[in-house]
Amino acid sequence: QQPVQSPQAVILREGEDAVINCSSSKALYSVHWYRQKHGEAPIFLMILLKGGEQKGHDKISASFNEKKQQSSLYLTASQLSYSGTYFCGTRRVTGANNLFFGTGTRLTVIP
Amino acid sequence: NAGVMQNPRHLVRRRGQEARLRCSPMKGHSHVYWYRQLPEEGLKFMVYLQKENIIDESGMPKERFSAEFPKEGPSILRIQQVVRGDSAAYFCASSPGTGSPGANVLTFGAGSRLTVL
Repeated sequence: QQPVQSPQAVILREGEDAVINCSSSKALYSVHWYRQKHGEAPIFLMILLKGGEQKGHDKISASFNEKKQQSSLYLTASQLSYSGTYFCGTRRVTGANNLFFGTGTRLTVIP
Repeated sequence: NAGVMQNPRHLVRRRGQEARLRCSPMKGHSHVYWYRQLPEEGLKFMVYLQKENIIDESGMPKERFSAEFPKEGPSILRIQQVVRGDSAAYFCASSPGTGSPGANVLTFGAGSRLTVL
């Protein structure tokens, strides 16, 4: 039930771009993206629904391909504050409202 | 507007003791979720509750773990006869639950860190 994320970890210099992928073996209703800094609670970034939509939040955007059951998070011109672990959470088409989270992608942005 | 409140933030127990973790959801939220996170690992779903009902407990270990969300008061995750492998951060999240597509956007608490000696 747990989605698969890739890569597991990535190191960027400030200003570089990154893509984090999330895929599921189950049909999805929505995909949620969260960021967690060390020792803190996960913080909601954005939600994507069926329909192949894309969303943006400052220089962070995401897409959702429901046919492939995949979502990607795009970080553009990364800033030091982007460092943290990114999790995708998936809600299935059938079943309850709860989210199943991927294993996480640790992003480190260095000066 | 208080967020999701979890207590205690840190809990130390000896093997065989009981641990009780509490979670008060955000005002207006009637759905509560519990997740476990081991060091350097992801968020593992445990249980999803609404007031007085368990909706999905597919992630809960079959023994020693239980959860409730009574009509009044916080949600409680209870771990009986703790073992060292139970040491982890336990996060609670809440959501409005119904209505708009964003109704199941989760707001997380700061977590309760359980250490079993």
